[in-house]
Amino acid sequence: GAGVSQSPSNKVTEKGKDVELRCDPISGHTALYWYRQSLGQGLEFLIYFQGNSAPDKSGLPSDRFSAERTGGSVSTLTIQRTQQEDSAVYLCASSSSVVSNQPQHFGDGTRLSIL
Amino acid sequence: KQEVTQIPAALSVPEGENLVLNCSFTDSAIYNLQWFRQDPGKGLTSLLLIQSSQREQTSGRLNASLDKSSGRSTLYIAASQPGDSATYLCAVKPRMGSGGGADGLTFGKGTHLIIQP
Repeated sequence: GAGVSQSPSNKVTEKGKDVELRCDPISGHTALYWYRQSLGQGLEFLIYFQGNSAPDKSGLPSDRFSAERTGGSVSTLTIQRTQQEDSAVYLCASSSSVVSNQPQHFGDGTRLSIL
Repeated sequence: KQEVTQIPAALSVPEGENLVLNCSFTDSAIYNLQWFRQDPGKGLTSLLLIQSSQREQTSGRLNASLDKSSGRSTLYIAASQPGDSATYLCAVKPRMGSGGGADGLTFGKGTHLIIQP
């Protein structure tokens, strides 16, 4: 597609459930990024992929969070045993390469609400 | 650890005015700086990207400057219009190997801009 696509756009789930968020980057973009936007916290970087590889996972908030990317395209962010503090907007971005000076292009995000 | 600060947090001006949004960062080891706008319920739209070796970038009524040594950037909006109302975010990308850990952007908390018709 023309832009970064994220699904679902909204997700409401009960505490303790697992959720899976999907990101489809711009075609041909090898770099993919996940961010979290919480009220009062601003935008927080979580993890990036160059191709299918995530060199640094230290930005993930806890071991309940994991991410993968297959085929150098679609990525999924999985949150296990969700907690109320996981409620936020999860944004995905892509760019042509990690090492380039090309801008990151963002999707509209997934708004996650944990009841 | 890189910290990005944006001033003011909110700004309301009449249509037609020129205005300046400010961004400062604590670590000058950056790869580039990017300005975004975010409309309510939407993702981020990239406005301008300034490479670390550049001093400014222009796009239409927008001009962004970068003073890396002092850790400052400004976004100048000329002849503001109601459609410019949004939250403006500044973000820096760490230089490769600078010890920042990841290659994600570090964001400020934004300036919420309202242009009064």
